[in-house]
Amino acid sequence: DQQVKQNSPSLSVQEGRISILNCDYTNSMFDYFLWYKKYPAEGPTFLISISSIKDKNEDGRFTVFLNKSAKHLSLHIVPSQPGDSAVYFCAASATNFGNEKLTFGTGTRLTIIP
Amino acid sequence: DTGVSQNPRHKITKRGQNVTFRCDPISEHNRLYWYRQTLGQGPEFLTYFQNEAQLEKSRLLSDRFSAERPKGSFSTLEIQRTEQGDSAMYLCASSDRGKDYGYTFGSGTRLTVV
Repeated sequence: DQQVKQNSPSLSVQEGRISILNCDYTNSMFDYFLWYKKYPAEGPTFLISISSIKDKNEDGRFTVFLNKSAKHLSLHIVPSQPGDSAVYFCAASATNFGNEKLTFGTGTRLTIIP
Repeated sequence: DTGVSQNPRHKITKRGQNVTFRCDPISEHNRLYWYRQTLGQGPEFLTYFQNEAQLEKSRLLSDRFSAERPKGSFSTLEIQRTEQGDSAMYLCASSDRGKDYGYTFGSGTRLTVV
């Protein structure tokens, strides 16, 4: 049972334009969400997170939006740069339950076209 | 500090053999996590340590798997009687503030069971 879903395996975006990566979740107990970026042969790198008490969090070129009623979040990257080409993972956790487990989606491969 | 270090980077073993991986976390981090990633999937939680105590284990961690963190510093993950289904990337991560602050992953150990 995939509790965190990233339905787009890949996405190509022109350099300078906006990249929008989407993520859906099914578990209502999830209350904290994170995005990770992964280059080949490296471990995932934390990008940005959002708590369920917010609907938006921004950090430089990266903004995460959370729609709790739709159980949907998205990562916006603007403007997109060639170095943004990587696999992006959405992850979720149930912090109120005190566990340390992150549940990841299957990832979206973003390619920025120069 | 050079981040989270994992050794070896690659391991090829014959089915039925035992293998052991090592993770050296960032020195001041008291939390250490093991995840497993198979092709086309996101990382899956295996287990978590706070200092030397193993506080959480996934059902994925069968009785052939054992993890230790003897002095609250480095950790080892051992797989006994390896099976082809154990082939995966084994990722270690560490944190001093918990998972919701985006812990630091190592580059992983890629295990291939032939």
